Amino acid sequence: NAGVTQTPKFRVLKTGQSMTLLCAQDMNHEYMYWYRQDPGMGLRLIHYSVGEGTTAKGEVPDGYNVSRLKKQNFLLGLESAAPSQTSVYFCASSSPFPGELFFGEGSRLTVL
Amino acid sequence: TQLLEQSPQFLSIQEGENLTVYCNSSSVFSSLQWYRQEPGEGPVLLVTVVTGGEVKKLKRLTFQFGDARKDSSLHITAAQPGDTGLYLCAGASNTGKLIFGQGTTLQVKP
Repeated sequence: NAGVTQTPKFRVLKTGQSMTLLCAQDMNHEYMYWYRQDPGMGLRLIHYSVGEGTTAKGEVPDGYNVSRLKKQNFLLGLESAAPSQTSVYFCASSSPFPGELFFGEGSRLTVL
Repeated sequence: TQLLEQSPQFLSIQEGENLTVYCNSSSVFSSLQWYRQEPGEGPVLLVTVVTGGEVKKLKRLTFQFGDARKDSSLHITAAQPGDTGLYLCAGASNTGKLIFGQGTTLQVKP
């Protein structure tokens, strides 16, 4: 019962460093999403994908890039991390909109 | 831009009390979902409401979608400590995305 798996679960970066968050889902969902969650701000959509090889910008895409080379994987990249990107990042997948979102357990990122 | 405002943002009550959480917007949504999130985990779907005026019950939780599909409420009867968590509403927007409210943190004390 893996569902949506995110790696890593915790990471500390220095300003300017780069990193990639990996999301994998085993439910054969077409849609995948990356959200960030900050206190008092709910979930904000960073980027999303409606199928293999496609990506699109969400509400807060600046400073992030994504790739969906395989249907089951969705990668979120930070090329030059900034303290404002300190957050908890959630990946989710779903059947076509507006299906139920299945979330991973989150990845806590701290940028010093 | 479609926005969803949740209220209250924080709620701390005693076990056995009733409570209502509100999710309001000036925009129409085609459907609305409610999620609950526990510390260290991702949100989990509780219910989806689709029709204006629709009421759905999940044990002690009652969800209502406004007649105009601009607002929703979650009512919990006789709250229990196990209800503690972050409750999020999410509306299906006309741009093909789910818009989340800020969340309501509920603490139920024994």
